[in-house]
Amino acid sequence: QQQVKQSPQSLIVQKGGISIINCAYENTAFDYFPWYQQFPGKGPALLIAIRPDVSEKKEGRFTISFNKSAKQFSLHIMDSQPGDSATYFCAAINYGQNFVFGPGTRLSVLP
Amino acid sequence: EAQVTQNPRYLITVTGKKLTVTCSQNMNHEYMSWYRQDPGLGLRQIYYSMNVEVTDKGDVPEGYKVSRKEKRNFPLILESPSPNQTSLYFCASSLFGEEAYEQYFGPGTRLTVT
Repeated sequence: QQQVKQSPQSLIVQKGGISIINCAYENTAFDYFPWYQQFPGKGPALLIAIRPDVSEKKEGRFTISFNKSAKQFSLHIMDSQPGDSATYFCAAINYGQNFVFGPGTRLSVLP
Repeated sequence: EAQVTQNPRYLITVTGKKLTVTCSQNMNHEYMSWYRQDPGLGLRQIYYSMNVEVTDKGDVPEGYKVSRKEKRNFPLILESPSPNQTSLYFCASSLFGEEAYEQYFGPGTRLTVT
C-alpha cells in the first residue's frame, strides 16, 4: 500500500505567525503533489499543487516547498489568520491511477 | 452551479442490510472516486473510475462495489454493511490526466452501521 506521511497531527499558531506542515512519500512514480483544505462539515477543496520538477510554488500566503531527493514536501502558510483554521491534507497522485492522502493536520490559528 | 452531489447525507443502518450511496457530478468529468475519512487515517481511496465502464480498486476496496454506467453517476454499494464500515464517505470528480490533481468533492455522507 502506498503511503504519504504527514506531520504534525495538530498545530496551534498565533495570528500572524507561520504555519508549517510536512509530508513525506515513498513512491517515486507520483506525478503531482496537491494540498487540500477541509473545513468542518465540508468536503476537502484544492488549495495548491506542485509538480515534482519544481522546487517551490507560491500562491498568495501559501507556499509549497518540494525536495525531490529527500522525497519530502511542505506547506507554509505565511501571516496565518483565524480563517485558515482547518484540516490540511497533503496528497500524491499517479496520473490515471489513484490518489493517496496523508492523515491530515488540524490547524488552529489563535486570534 | 458546478457541483458533486451525494445522497443521502446521513444514514443509519443495521449490519447486513444492503445500501447504495449515490454520487452525481455536472462538470462532465471523466474521473470519479470514492473515499472514506476516518479520524487519524485521513482520506483513503475505495474505488476510482477513469471513464464509463472503467473502474479500479483503491487502497481499501473490501466490502464495497461501484459501477459507472453513465459519465455523471458513480454509486457506491455496500452489499452487506458491517460496523467497521461506519465512516464519513466522500465522492469526488475531476478531469483526467494532468488535471486530475484538482478533485472536486461532494459534501459527504455520514454512515453509521449498528
